[in-house]
Amino acid sequence: GAVVSQHPSRVICKSGTSVKIECRSLDFQATTMFWYRQFPKQSLMLMATSNEGSKATYEQGVEKDKFLINHASLTLSTLTVTSAHPEDSSFYICSALVQETQYFGPGTRLLVL
Amino acid sequence: DAKTTQPTSMDCAEGRAANLPCNHSTISGNEYVYWYRQIHSQGPQYIIHGLKNNETNEMASLIITEDRKSSTLILPHATLRDTAVYYCIVSSTGTASKLTFGTGTRLQVTL
Repeated sequence: GAVVSQHPSRVICKSGTSVKIECRSLDFQATTMFWYRQFPKQSLMLMATSNEGSKATYEQGVEKDKFLINHASLTLSTLTVTSAHPEDSSFYICSALVQETQYFGPGTRLLVL
Repeated sequence: DAKTTQPTSMDCAEGRAANLPCNHSTISGNEYVYWYRQIHSQGPQYIIHGLKNNETNEMASLIITEDRKSSTLILPHATLRDTAVYYCIVSSTGTASKLTFGTGTRLQVTL
């Protein structure tokens, strides 16, 4: 299957700072990528759909000004958590769409102190 | 997207076949059945998907009933490394291919 990477794998930051998470498709080009969030003992929740060269589409309840998504190339999408707070601590996972199938990255664990 | 219903948990002995059921009685004609699994603290791993025909790959087989209202994922020879949460998801394809994850089935493979 297609390989998707994320960087960093884990990050700890202070409250009020911003954190950028990168999602890369390693062996294919992805016009569409997705960002999910998963809290402990819960399932994945879709945050937004990222399309190369256009604005991301956010799910209801997800603040677009807080979670900035940039999909500037066909192999890279970034999620920036701005002014992070402890409640933003979570497991952030991206996926890339290849034909009919989404392939997921390994996830980024964010801890905001 | 149609909802799915899966058992909360299942056990399977190592070396035996694991049969994971999924009900999706409200599935639409253009929606596929996808199976993913998530091992603790990792991103979900794609397993298999199908529309109406049974499918098989190196990981598993997918059996879809003729009326498409239910399906079964079969891991032919389960190993300890197959212990994970298995998600059955129905979704249309293309740019509308959002995946809505439910709670899945926690499969525990034991010695």
